[in-house]
Parts: sequence; structure tokens; C-alpha cells
Amino acid sequence: DTGVSQDPRHKITKRGQNVTFRCDPISEHNRLYWYRQTLGQGPEFLTYFQNEAQLEKSRLLSDRFSAERPKGSFSTLEIQRTEQGDSAMYLCASTSGALTGNEQFFGPGTRLTVL
Amino acid sequence: AQKITQTQPGMFVQEKEAVTLDCTYDTSDQSYGLFWYKQPSSGEMIFLIYQGSYDEQNATEGRYSLNFQKARKSANLVISASHLGDSAMYFCAMREVDSNYQLIWGAGTKLIIKP
Repeated sequence: DTGVSQDPRHKITKRGQNVTFRCDPISEHNRLYWYRQTLGQGPEFLTYFQNEAQLEKSRLLSDRFSAERPKGSFSTLEIQRTEQGDSAMYLCASTSGALTGNEQFFGPGTRLTVL
Repeated sequence: AQKITQTQPGMFVQEKEAVTLDCTYDTSDQSYGLFWYKQPSSGEMIFLIYQGSYDEQNATEGRYSLNFQKARKSANLVISASHLGDSAMYFCAMREVDSNYQLIWGAGTKLIIKP
């Protein structure tokens, strides 16, 4: 399977714990995005990487959130001291730099539940 | 202000009928892209169709077509001959030229196909 993969698919944690999610994009895609989606809403942009450089971060990304993409391949999203409001689906997407269409390909998401 | 508006929270459609899902957008850019994604209950975002702001013809992809009315800033998705597998959430999204290709999303429309 050469699509975007995310791990884990589900994560249940207690408030105050740290969690880390991983995203493996499509191998030839240099752009990688993280989105957060709460129930009944569309996704909201969190952050964007071009290769290994994190080029944009949303105001939604508080100091408790950090994302990395070492070597421009897979990416990790860490949430420290989780809060119940962090409960959501975390989606990763990748795309190439092609000019036409340039649709983003999404992974299956990681559903986080903070108790 | 909402940049992407989907006015239909939910729709019921009889199998084999055509269905139109509404999307209006707001941008001052001349160059932008409009996307429709499908999200089944499994959670994965599936790309359906893309329309560029400079495309003169409406985009089509199999049973999907996009009714693009630039002056009205609308980009409605038309699904012909619906079937049960079309039941899902449908999201309209926009990419503006200077947005690092990030997508701005509507709140979605839940489509249920009745047998």
C-alpha cells in the first residue's frame, strides 16, 4: 500500500498525559499537513511541512503541540499535557508540488480520546 | 467570516436519483482551487473532484461533476445515479494561492442514500 499511513488509529489517554502520533506520507510527496477534526465539523489546519521545514503553524497549535518531520519523510505530532478539549481526529495529508489539481491525499487519521 | 459555507447539514436521497450538494465560498484571490472530499464513517478523506478558478469548463470525474458558477462564488457537487455506497459526509474545501496549499474546509453535508 503506497498511500498515507497513520499510527496509531486510536488512542485513549488520561488528561495530563503526553501522546505522539506518526504519519508516513506518500514517498514522493514533499508537502505534509496536519489537520484536526472534531465531531460534526470540517478539518482545521494545524501545521505544514515542506520537506523537513515546518513553514506554517496555525494559531490552534498551542505550546503543548509540537510537530517534526526529520529528514523530510515521516512526521510526528506530539501533544503534551493533554486536555479533554484535545479529543478529536488528527488527520495527516500529503501532496506533491505539482501545479495542477494538487489534491491532498489523506491518511486514515488518529482518533484521540482524552478522559 | 466563513470562507466555505455548506448550507445543508444533512440530506436524504432515494437510490439512483441525482443529488446536488451546495457549496459557496468567499475569497478575494483571483487564483484559487476548489475541492470536494468524501468522508465515510471509517474516517478517511477521499478526494473526489477539483476545480481551478481559471478552468472554463466544469470539472467531471465519473459520476461526479462540479457546477462552478464563479460570479456567484458557488461550487456545487452533483452526484448522478446515487447508490448506497455514496452515504457519507461530503466536504467542500478551498485552497487560496498564497496559503501554502493548505485547505480551508466547510462544515460538511451528511448524505444518506435510501434504498
